[in-house]
Amino acid sequence: DTAVSQTPKYLVTQMGNDKSIKCEQNLGHDTMYWYKQDSKKFLKIMFSYNNKELIINETVPNRFSPKSPDKAHLNLHINSLELGDSAVYFCASSQETGSLFTYEQYFGPGTRLTVT
Amino acid sequence: AQKVTQAQTEISVVEKEDVTLDCVYETRDTTYYLFWYKQPPSGELVFLIRRNSFDEQNEISGRYSWNFQKSTSSFNFTITASQVVDSAVYFCALSEGRNTGNQFYFGTGTSLTVIP
Repeated sequence: DTAVSQTPKYLVTQMGNDKSIKCEQNLGHDTMYWYKQDSKKFLKIMFSYNNKELIINETVPNRFSPKSPDKAHLNLHINSLELGDSAVYFCASSQETGSLFTYEQYFGPGTRLTVT
Repeated sequence: AQKVTQAQTEISVVEKEDVTLDCVYETRDTTYYLFWYKQPPSGELVFLIRRNSFDEQNEISGRYSWNFQKSTSSFNFTITASQVVDSAVYFCALSEGRNTGNQFYFGTGTSLTVIP
């Protein structure tokens, strides 16, 4: 059984389009994340949700909007896609974080977004 | 400033050689967590280990071992008797204890190639 799943795995689209990437976890985790991995493999967090509440919102263009309908799902919607948005986007989840304890994050398989 | 530095961008070894991947971190917190992840050519991110700042014991798991030294702010990863399947990009990550949201700071990764 897949723990963290993402759809689609590949997404090719033209500049200016709007697209969504879906993420689901069946681990019972309370916290979910979106990361962007660029062509140089650098991983940067974009957003984090805990029990449907946004807790990390890094400096990303407001064309990117996360939506968490429930704690098992965290979707990423991107408006007006640009060439620079081409990257691999990873969803992840972890157990609920306390102030002094940090759990490992489990990652989905990634979505390779190509904007032409 | 980069919180996690992986100075080795690429390493190549011949199968059965031992290899050590370096990770140096920077934090002012006394409570923090360190992680290693593996990203094989297939692209998924695989969790390998979590270590908290109060546990400096070295850890061994099969051919993998980790050396945590607070005095040098390092958390190095050694693969003994490397195999072709170890070829991957390896990421070190830091999460600071006072940080809400379980934010991970990833290093830039070390690409390991094991030559048969």
